[in-house]
Amino acid sequence: TQLLEQSPQFLSIQEGENLTVYCNSSSVFSSLQWYRQEPGEGPVLLVTVVTGGEVKKLKRLTFQFGDARKDSSLHITAAQPGDTGLYLCAGAQGAGSYQLTFGKGTKLSVIP
Amino acid sequence: DVKVTQSSRYLVKRTGEKVFLECVQDMDHENMFWYRQDPGLGLRLIYFSYDVKMKEKGDIPEGYSVSREKKERFSLILESASTNQTSMYLCASSSEGLSSYNEQFFGPGTRLTVL
Repeated sequence: TQLLEQSPQFLSIQEGENLTVYCNSSSVFSSLQWYRQEPGEGPVLLVTVVTGGEVKKLKRLTFQFGDARKDSSLHITAAQPGDTGLYLCAGAQGAGSYQLTFGKGTKLSVIP
Repeated sequence: DVKVTQSSRYLVKRTGEKVFLECVQDMDHENMFWYRQDPGLGLRLIYFSYDVKMKEKGDIPEGYSVSREKKERFSLILESASTNQTSMYLCASSSEGLSSYNEQFFGPGTRLTVL
């Protein structure tokens, strides 16, 4: 069974602070995705990383895929209240596999 | 704009009732999925389908069945609802195209309460 461990589980920070969320596994993934889910809504895809060592930026969000494609991180600079939500990482096995392995998520609260 | 819609946002049912949750996607995706999401347990896959009339069990299929008669529509059926099926139900779809990385697109979810 492949697992994706996310840490921390909960994070409460003040507006303007920086934070990093981690997603770790002992398994190799062909790609890894990050989603954000707001309360009462479905997850929304933020980014997909594919290549080991890849870094992608989405405004104040920076996503990195580990060199060995077993782990990933999400860094948010100068967090805003609008960043509040559940952040989920999900790994794909590759060709022939339809499923994703999801982490349990990091619940972020940004206090104004 | 990609779109996955679910028939209800909130649903309240009684124990023993038959419950239908419907999901429609307009992206011509081959794959469709049903998950439930519970605090502390994350997203758990119930069933998925990779083609019309095809279905595969996920991690927690007990107490559920599914139907996929058309490519765009995937239904989740609770034959006899029980209180432990109270949960948030999420439908998702994904493409099998060469440029796909198995990214899934989710509907808004159905919050089901079984009394």
